[in-house]
Amino acid sequence: GESVGLHLPTLSVQEGDNSIINCAYSNSASDYFIWYKQESGKGPQFIIDIRSNMDKRQGQRVTVLLNKTVKHLSLQIAATQPGDSAVYFCAETPGTYKYIFGTGTRLKVLA
Amino acid sequence: DAGVIQSPRHEVTEMGQEVTLRCKPISGHDYLFWYRQTMMRGLELLIYFNNNVPIDDSGMPEDRFSAKMPNASFSTLKIQPSEPRDSAVYFCASSLRGYEQYFGPGTRLTVT
Repeated sequence: GESVGLHLPTLSVQEGDNSIINCAYSNSASDYFIWYKQESGKGPQFIIDIRSNMDKRQGQRVTVLLNKTVKHLSLQIAATQPGDSAVYFCAETPGTYKYIFGTGTRLKVLA
Repeated sequence: DAGVIQSPRHEVTEMGQEVTLRCKPISGHDYLFWYRQTMMRGLELLIYFNNNVPIDDSGMPEDRFSAKMPNASFSTLKIQPSEPRDSAVYFCASSLRGYEQYFGPGTRLTVT
Protein backbone atom coordinates (compact mmCIF):
# COMPACT_ATOMS: atom_id res chain seq x y z
CA GLY A 1 0.00 0.00 0.00
CA GLU A 2 1.08 3.48 -0.69
CA SER A 3 1.55 5.92 2.08
CA VAL A 4 2.30 9.60 2.23
CA GLY A 5 5.94 8.76 1.61
CA LEU A 6 7.86 11.77 0.45
CA HIS A 7 7.30 13.99 3.46
CA LEU A 8 6.48 11.50 6.19
CA PRO A 9 8.04 12.24 9.55
CA THR A 10 10.34 9.40 10.48
CA LEU A 11 11.17 8.01 13.88
CA SER A 12 14.28 5.86 14.13
CA VAL A 13 14.54 3.66 17.20
CA GLN A 14 17.08 1.12 18.33
CA GLU A 15 15.78 -2.43 18.58
CA GLY A 16 14.70 -3.13 22.14
CA ASP A 17 14.04 0.51 22.99
CA ASN A 18 10.58 1.98 23.50
CA SER A 19 8.96 4.00 20.72
CA ILE A 20 6.59 6.91 21.10
CA ILE A 21 4.63 8.07 18.10
CA ASN A 22 2.64 11.26 18.42
CA CYS A 23 -0.45 12.55 16.71
CA ALA A 24 -2.28 15.86 16.96
CA TYR A 25 -5.93 15.54 16.12
CA SER A 26 -8.09 18.29 14.73
CA ASN A 27 -11.64 18.01 16.01
CA SER A 28 -12.42 18.66 19.66
CA ALA A 29 -15.70 16.80 19.13
CA SER A 30 -13.93 13.58 18.21
CA ASP A 31 -14.82 10.83 20.64
CA TYR A 32 -13.12 7.77 19.21
CA PHE A 33 -9.50 7.34 18.19
CA ILE A 34 -7.66 4.50 16.59
CA TRP A 35 -4.11 3.59 15.63
CA TYR A 36 -3.27 1.65 12.51
CA LYS A 37 -0.03 0.12 11.28
CA GLN A 38 0.67 -0.13 7.58
CA GLU A 39 3.49 -2.23 6.22
CA SER A 40 4.72 -1.78 2.70
CA GLY A 41 2.36 -3.29 0.16
CA LYS A 42 -0.35 -4.04 2.71
CA GLY A 43 -3.51 -2.47 4.01
CA PRO A 44 -3.70 -0.67 7.36
CA GLN A 45 -3.86 -3.05 10.29
CA PHE A 46 -5.74 -2.21 13.50
CA ILE A 47 -3.50 -1.83 16.55
CA ILE A 48 -5.51 -0.28 19.34
CA ASP A 49 -8.36 2.13 19.95
CA ILE A 50 -9.51 4.45 22.70
CA ARG A 51 -12.68 6.35 23.48
CA SER A 52 -12.72 9.91 24.72
CA ASN A 53 -13.91 8.91 28.18
CA MET A 54 -10.52 7.28 28.76
CA ASP A 55 -7.03 8.74 28.88
CA LYS A 56 -5.03 5.52 28.62
CA ARG A 57 -5.49 2.07 27.22
CA GLN A 58 -3.03 -0.80 27.08
CA GLY A 59 -2.68 -3.69 24.72
CA GLN A 60 0.02 -6.19 24.07
CA ARG A 61 3.27 -4.16 24.03
CA VAL A 62 1.31 -1.04 23.05
CA THR A 63 -0.23 1.77 25.03
CA VAL A 64 -2.32 4.64 23.72
CA LEU A 65 -2.52 7.90 25.64
CA LEU A 66 -5.13 10.55 25.01
CA ASN A 67 -4.87 14.16 26.12
CA LYS A 68 -8.09 15.90 25.20
CA THR A 69 -6.97 19.24 26.62
CA VAL A 70 -4.32 19.65 23.94
CA LYS A 71 -5.91 17.28 21.38
CA HIS A 72 -2.99 14.93 21.43
CA LEU A 73 -2.75 11.20 20.99
CA SER A 74 0.31 9.02 21.39
CA LEU A 75 1.20 5.40 20.75
CA GLN A 76 3.86 3.79 22.85
CA ILE A 77 5.46 0.56 21.69
CA ALA A 78 7.49 -1.30 24.28
CA ALA A 79 10.67 -3.19 23.37
CA THR A 80 10.48 -2.25 19.71
CA GLN A 81 11.20 -5.08 17.30
CA PRO A 82 12.22 -5.13 13.61
CA GLY A 83 8.70 -6.28 12.74
CA ASP A 84 7.38 -3.00 14.11
CA SER A 85 8.92 -1.10 11.20
CA ALA A 86 6.01 0.41 9.31
CA VAL A 87 3.99 3.57 8.86
CA TYR A 88 1.68 4.34 11.76
CA PHE A 89 -1.54 6.31 11.34
CA CYS A 90 -3.83 7.78 13.91
CA ALA A 91 -7.47 8.36 13.05
CA GLU A 92 -10.27 10.24 14.77
CA THR A 93 -14.00 10.37 14.40
CA PRO A 94 -16.61 12.66 15.97
CA GLY A 95 -19.26 10.08 16.61
CA THR A 96 -19.65 8.85 13.05
CA TYR A 97 -17.89 6.11 11.14
CA LYS A 98 -16.03 8.58 8.95
CA TYR A 99 -12.46 8.28 10.11
CA ILE A 100 -10.15 11.22 9.56
CA PHE A 101 -6.66 9.85 9.14
CA GLY A 102 -3.46 11.64 10.02
CA THR A 103 -0.59 11.81 7.57
CA GLY A 104 1.34 9.03 9.26
CA THR A 105 4.73 8.50 10.88
CA ARG A 106 7.32 6.09 9.56
CA LEU A 107 8.96 3.99 12.25
CA LYS A 108 12.37 2.56 11.46
CA VAL A 109 13.83 0.01 13.82
CA LEU A 110 17.61 -0.09 13.83
CA ALA A 111 19.32 -3.40 14.54
CA ASP B 1 -10.55 -16.59 9.12
CA ALA B 2 -10.45 -14.90 5.74
CA GLY B 3 -10.05 -11.18 5.99
CA VAL B 4 -11.35 -8.60 3.55
CA ILE B 5 -10.69 -9.76 0.01
CA GLN B 6 -10.08 -7.34 -2.84
CA SER B 7 -9.58 -7.93 -6.53
CA PRO B 8 -7.71 -7.29 -8.64
CA ARG B 9 -4.58 -6.51 -6.63
CA HIS B 10 -3.13 -4.50 -9.49
CA GLU B 11 -4.88 -2.82 -12.40
CA VAL B 12 -3.29 -0.93 -15.23
CA THR B 13 -5.60 0.73 -17.69
CA GLU B 14 -5.67 3.48 -20.24
CA MET B 15 -7.34 6.81 -19.75
CA GLY B 16 -11.00 6.67 -20.69
CA GLN B 17 -11.47 3.01 -19.86
CA GLU B 18 -13.91 1.71 -17.27
CA VAL B 19 -12.40 0.22 -14.13
CA THR B 20 -14.21 -2.00 -11.63
CA LEU B 21 -12.73 -2.81 -8.25
CA ARG B 22 -14.21 -5.59 -6.15
CA CYS B 23 -14.47 -6.27 -2.46
CA LYS B 24 -15.67 -9.12 -0.30
CA PRO B 25 -16.08 -8.02 3.34
CA ILE B 26 -15.56 -10.18 6.38
CA SER B 27 -18.56 -12.43 6.87
CA GLY B 28 -21.02 -10.99 9.39
CA HIS B 29 -19.78 -7.43 9.16
CA ASP B 30 -22.49 -4.88 8.55
CA TYR B 31 -20.41 -1.89 7.47
CA LEU B 32 -18.30 -1.55 4.35
CA PHE B 33 -15.99 1.33 3.51
CA TRP B 34 -14.11 2.33 0.37
CA TYR B 35 -10.93 4.40 0.78
CA ARG B 36 -8.37 5.86 -1.57
CA GLN B 37 -4.71 6.37 -0.63
CA THR B 38 -2.30 8.64 -2.47
CA MET B 39 1.02 10.16 -1.55
CA MET B 40 -0.38 13.66 -1.74
CA ARG B 41 -3.68 13.22 0.08
CA GLY B 42 -3.11 10.20 2.31
CA LEU B 43 -6.09 7.99 3.19
CA GLU B 44 -9.49 9.37 2.20
CA LEU B 45 -12.90 7.85 2.78
CA LEU B 46 -14.90 7.71 -0.44
CA ILE B 47 -18.16 6.06 0.62
CA TYR B 48 -19.53 3.71 3.22
CA PHE B 49 -22.45 1.31 3.43
CA ASN B 50 -24.47 -0.06 6.31
CA ASN B 51 -26.43 -3.23 5.69
CA ASN B 52 -25.80 -2.80 1.95
CA VAL B 53 -27.25 0.72 1.91
CA PRO B 54 -25.00 3.69 1.01
CA ILE B 55 -24.89 6.01 4.00
CA ASP B 56 -22.38 8.69 3.08
CA ASP B 57 -20.88 9.22 -0.36
CA SER B 58 -19.63 12.75 0.25
CA GLY B 59 -16.07 11.64 -0.35
CA MET B 60 -16.70 10.37 -3.86
CA PRO B 61 -14.67 12.73 -6.02
CA GLU B 62 -17.09 13.15 -8.89
CA ASP B 63 -19.77 11.49 -10.97
CA ARG B 64 -17.22 9.28 -12.66
CA PHE B 65 -17.10 7.27 -9.46
CA SER B 66 -19.88 4.95 -8.37
CA ALA B 67 -20.16 2.21 -5.77
CA LYS B 68 -22.66 -0.56 -5.23
CA MET B 69 -23.29 -3.24 -2.67
CA PRO B 70 -25.82 -5.69 -4.10
CA ASN B 71 -25.55 -8.05 -1.13
CA ALA B 72 -23.79 -8.43 2.19
CA SER B 73 -20.80 -10.23 0.71
CA PHE B 74 -19.90 -8.13 -2.29
CA SER B 75 -19.26 -4.52 -3.26
CA THR B 76 -17.87 -2.78 -6.33
CA LEU B 77 -16.27 0.58 -6.95
CA LYS B 78 -16.46 1.68 -10.56
CA ILE B 79 -14.65 4.51 -12.32
CA GLN B 80 -15.94 5.46 -15.74
CA PRO B 81 -14.16 7.00 -17.54
CA SER B 82 -10.86 6.66 -15.73
CA GLU B 83 -8.27 9.46 -15.69
CA PRO B 84 -4.57 9.48 -14.77
CA ARG B 85 -5.34 11.39 -11.56
CA ASP B 86 -7.37 8.41 -10.37
CA SER B 87 -4.14 6.46 -9.97
CA ALA B 88 -3.96 5.41 -6.33
CA VAL B 89 -4.34 2.45 -4.02
CA TYR B 90 -7.98 1.73 -3.26
CA PHE B 91 -8.83 -0.03 -0.04
CA CYS B 92 -11.98 -1.69 1.10
CA ALA B 93 -12.61 -2.11 4.83
CA SER B 94 -15.38 -3.78 6.78
CA SER B 95 -16.58 -3.50 10.32
CA LEU B 96 -19.06 -4.87 12.79
CA ARG B 97 -21.03 -1.89 14.05
CA GLY B 98 -18.80 0.63 12.37
CA TYR B 99 -15.87 1.39 14.59
CA GLU B 100 -13.04 -1.13 14.38
CA GLN B 101 -12.47 -1.29 10.64
CA TYR B 102 -10.53 -4.11 9.01
CA PHE B 103 -8.81 -3.27 5.77
CA GLY B 104 -8.20 -5.41 2.74
CA PRO B 105 -4.85 -5.58 0.94
CA GLY B 106 -5.84 -2.89 -1.56
CA THR B 107 -5.95 -2.54 -5.32
CA ARG B 108 -3.17 -0.53 -6.90
CA LEU B 109 -4.68 1.31 -9.87
CA THR B 110 -2.53 2.90 -12.54
CA VAL B 111 -4.22 4.90 -15.28
CA THR B 112 -1.95 5.80 -18.19
